Amino acid sequence: NAGVMQNPRHLVRRRGQEARLRCSPMKGHSHVYWYRQLPEEGLKFMVYLQKENIIDESGMPKERFSAEFPKEGPSILRIQQVVRGDSAAYFCASSLSVSNQPQHFGDGTRLSIL
Amino acid sequence: SQQGEEDPQALSIQEGENATMNCSYKTSINNLQWYRQNSGRGLVHLILIRSNEREKHSGRLRVTLDTSKKSSSLLITASRAADTASYFCATSNFGNEKLTFGTGTRLTIIP
Repeated sequence: NAGVMQNPRHLVRRRGQEARLRCSPMKGHSHVYWYRQLPEEGLKFMVYLQKENIIDESGMPKERFSAEFPKEGPSILRIQQVVRGDSAAYFCASSLSVSNQPQHFGDGTRLSIL
Repeated sequence: SQQGEEDPQALSIQEGENATMNCSYKTSINNLQWYRQNSGRGLVHLILIRSNEREKHSGRLRVTLDTSKKSSSLLITASRAADTASYFCATSNFGNEKLTFGTGTRLTIIP
């Protein structure tokens, strides 16, 4: 009974490169959320997706960031032309397709920008 | 400012004692969730309490919700060293599934 799987666990990129973070939700979960956590802070919402649809991207920076959740395969958070300020832990969560259900989190991807 | 704010920011107690953490929020909510995060790991879901509920229990955990005061508390009884972690409350609004997190309480259990 696998939980939410994120990979890679650690990712190092140089400024200007692209970062691709992957998230496979729990089996049976069709809702995926991405959050970002800076050191010593709480998580900040970025984007909420259902299969093939972006439902809420109000927390996502307008430039360089994009997310998808295709019909087949994991959800992808893509950061283009990374900058030092993108260094953070990025967490993915998934939930069942009904309201008032808990979100289950993966162990995150720690992104470091050199 | 944070929708959820935990109090205290840090708490150290002796093993076996009870730990109480509080959370305040600003807007109407659909539910409130408590999570635990160990250093360098993801969040582990502890309890979800709906806006029409006042109290929930799960093992050594007890959560209360007071919607009139827009506050919640998490009580951990008979604490253990393994309870050392950061604890976050997160709120969900009606018609909006995203969670808004507080800054967390760092709990240290002293053996």
